[in-house]
Amino acid sequence: DAGVTQSPTHLIKTRGQQVTLRCSPKSGHDTVSWYQQALGQGPQFIFQYYEEEERQRGNFPDRFSGHQFPNYSSELNVNALLLGDSALYLCASSSYLWEGQETQYFGPGTRLLVL
Amino acid sequence: GENVEQHPSTLSVQEGDSAVIKCTYSDSASNYFPWYKQELGKRPQLIIDIRSNVGEKKDQRIAVTLNKTAKHFSLHITETQPEDSAVYFCAASKRSQGNLIFGKGTKLSVKP
Repeated sequence: DAGVTQSPTHLIKTRGQQVTLRCSPKSGHDTVSWYQQALGQGPQFIFQYYEEEERQRGNFPDRFSGHQFPNYSSELNVNALLLGDSALYLCASSSYLWEGQETQYFGPGTRLLVL
Repeated sequence: GENVEQHPSTLSVQEGDSAVIKCTYSDSASNYFPWYKQELGKRPQLIIDIRSNVGEKKDQRIAVTLNKTAKHFSLHITETQPEDSAVYFCAASKRSQGNLIFGKGTKLSVKP
């Protein structure tokens, strides 16, 4: 039974570029949440997708957008990258019907460095 | 919105001792409180969680207590081992919502 997977593991971009990160949820899960974790900090909620729609959003600008596909996998897109976007981006999956969308299991993350 | 504060930021204990990490939350509507363990370079791992309808939950050497009136919850690790060394995060959320609000983390070091 595969856990949460994310790709790529590492990424280097320059300011102003755009980036797409990918996440596949745990088998049986239907909800994907994205978090940004700066060095030495706790994860910060970006948004959550369920039934292919953004259901909740944290305090992040519109440069951060996402998508969920019919197979429940998800993408996080960040436009016009800033140096401050350098962080570990974590995807978490959960199940609406079983444990509840709040019981979340994290993927290994994508480490993004913006130069 | 919800705010979660976590103390201490660092904690050093001898192997075999107990460790306690405390968190407070601000939103009385929060009713789900998970704890995550994050080793260096690894993903946050859910180690235990508690919902507001119970006051304590145990899983082997790990326990979590919740005081709804005071709006605080704590993680207790007994008989600590070197492999317990990691950063521990508390979080708070409302049932059926997705936005876990995390504390800033506690770096636990267990000295052999």
